Amino acid sequence: KQEVTQIPAALSVPEGENLVLNCSFTDSAIYNLQWFRQDPGKGLTSLLLIQSSQREQTSGRLNASLDKSSGRSTLYIAASQPGDSATYLCAVTGGFKTIFGAGTRLFVKA
Amino acid sequence: DTAVSQTPKYLVTQMGNDKSIKCEQNLGHDTMYWYKQDSKKFLKIMFSYNNKELIINETVPNRFSPKSPDKAHLNLHINSLELGDSAVYFCASGPRELTSGGYNEQFFGPGTRLTVL
Repeated sequence: KQEVTQIPAALSVPEGENLVLNCSFTDSAIYNLQWFRQDPGKGLTSLLLIQSSQREQTSGRLNASLDKSSGRSTLYIAASQPGDSATYLCAVTGGFKTIFGAGTRLFVKA
Repeated sequence: DTAVSQTPKYLVTQMGNDKSIKCEQNLGHDTMYWYKQDSKKFLKIMFSYNNKELIINETVPNRFSPKSPDKAHLNLHINSLELGDSAVYFCASGPRELTSGGYNEQFFGPGTRLTVL
């Protein structure tokens, strides 16, 4: 049974800092891994999707990596800004379902 | 705007009532989903439909009945609402069935906050 864990659960950093969010999963038989952002009271915004055959994806200040064999993904945020404050969720798709982690709540202080 | 839309955004109702949530996507996707986000913000898949056909039905009470009249719509009907049904329900869509692999990015609607009193 796939389990997805995100560490840390919460993170507070000063503006401008580079940071890494972690996602680990127990079953490496996945099709893809997707990172989302959720603002309070809002829906989910897709940030990056990494297919199982890929090692990383980049979009602007975001870089996501995938190491399927070790069951890990990281989301790297460069030069963080207060507008990056949100909950970041990773979702792993394998078999017939998508499993979400509990999220990392990020607060970037101005 | 191309997007996944849901109505209503908020739903407040009494225990025992029946209610429906509607979802529409205009992204041309083949697959649609319903997810539930509980009070601890944990997201869990409930149903998946591909081309109007039910693919996934997680351990959801049979009081929940999804209906897909066409590829672009997936509605959720809930009978005999209970206090524990209070949550945010998200509709999502993706280009293809989960098991088909390939680039299969999921896009989410804004959510429907259901409160059962």
